[in-house]
Amino acid sequence: AQSVSQHNHHVILSEAASLELGCNYSYGGTVNLFWYVQYPGQHLQLLLKYFSGDPLVKGIKGFEAEFIKSKFSFNLRKPSVQWSDTAEYFCAVITGGGNKLTFGTGTQLKVEL
Amino acid sequence: GAVVSQHPSRVICKSGTSVKIECRSLDFQATTMFWYRQFPKQSLMLMATSNEGSKATYEQGVEKDKFLINHASLTLSTLTVTSAHPEDSSFYICSASSLADRRETQYFGPGTRLLVL
Repeated sequence: AQSVSQHNHHVILSEAASLELGCNYSYGGTVNLFWYVQYPGQHLQLLLKYFSGDPLVKGIKGFEAEFIKSKFSFNLRKPSVQWSDTAEYFCAVITGGGNKLTFGTGTQLKVEL
Repeated sequence: GAVVSQHPSRVICKSGTSVKIECRSLDFQATTMFWYRQFPKQSLMLMATSNEGSKATYEQGVEKDKFLINHASLTLSTLTVTSAHPEDSSFYICSASSLADRRETQYFGPGTRLLVL
């Protein structure tokens, strides 16, 4: 069965620092990749998604992610984080043309002023 | 657009009672709705997938007789936890995919916190 790994469980950064959150998946076929964010007390929101085409995907709030097929990775990046980016970030994958999301365990990001 | 609501947001019940959670897509028609369970400090685990007018498809290990899912319309799905026990206490989240959007994109509700005493 497919799985999604997020190796960073907790990340603490200062404002204006650059962010990269790792995401690796285990599946050899077609994948659709997603990053979701959950702000404190709020529901999951879609940050960005990759279906096909340009492997560098730009999402909302200045986030981007790069799909590297050879590394089975879909890392999330932001050049300069803000305090308001404090949230939990989930990577997720849909495999084989289906519609079921498999989530990673999440990364809790705390941005300090 | 693409707003999903859940009701109630929190519920406390006694062991042995049943609890119904509603999931509604407010501004779109949902071909498919999904029910997840999230334990503290853990990821979301898919429980079941439901399509309007048909029986839900449950994930391995999820008891279909305990977690009853009804998807009566394109905007409403319900999850009923029957004869709830303390181990059913959890955060239940629904999501919906839109007819108008690519079916792989899911929009999530705010979740329902269930506490069984």
